[in-house]
Amino acid sequence: DTGVSQNPRHKITKRGQNVTFRCDPISEHNRLYWYRQTLGQGPEFLTYFQNEAQLEKSRLLSDRFSAERPKGSFSTLEIQRTEQGDSAMYLCATPGYKKNTGELFFGEGSRLTVL
Amino acid sequence: QQQVKQSPQSLIVQKGGIPIINCAYENTAFDYFPWYQQFPGKGPALLIAIRPDVSEKKEGRFTISFNKSAKQFSLHIMDSQPGDSATYFCAAKVTGGGNKLTFGTGTQLKVEL
Repeated sequence: DTGVSQNPRHKITKRGQNVTFRCDPISEHNRLYWYRQTLGQGPEFLTYFQNEAQLEKSRLLSDRFSAERPKGSFSTLEIQRTEQGDSAMYLCATPGYKKNTGELFFGEGSRLTVL
Repeated sequence: QQQVKQSPQSLIVQKGGIPIINCAYENTAFDYFPWYQQFPGKGPALLIAIRPDVSEKKEGRFTISFNKSAKQFSLHIMDSQPGDSATYFCAAKVTGGGNKLTFGTGTQLKVEL
């Protein structure tokens, strides 16, 4: 158990539909990260939060993507007008116990399939 | 764009063998180099990490070797077991970027009996 719960685990949608993923860290963390992983590739950084504030967004995060962390606990990632290229695993992560060492606890991810 | 290049893409070894996975980075704005292990259907999990001022680090059967001048680092798995069969990712942490990581493309390892 990594302490990060993600839902839904798998979402199949038609192109053009909106989807939302949720990330629930079990314990409180100031920081929360979103990554995207396509088949056969390593995770790619999307964005991260310090409490409620979204501190950085990758260029990968087009205008169709929006992430929120309204109370500094859970977070949501919404994709509007989905495209086939959005098909990927969306991973949420929280920092590990060793500060600033690159240690992240990842959830099991939400797999998106856009038909 | 900052990149981390990883090789080989896949690797098959016999039980007890020592698979070696190599990574190279292009930018010096990294201050920590973790390795992650990922099983199918799971998120990546941290294996071991090293700072650039350390040339080698061992944790159990896993060893990282780091060559700062060459901007290269590698993972060795001693006495590999079938349970080590997974995908391994090297990564680099951006200096001052919290835990923002740049990952390699992964190496799919299979350890055969």
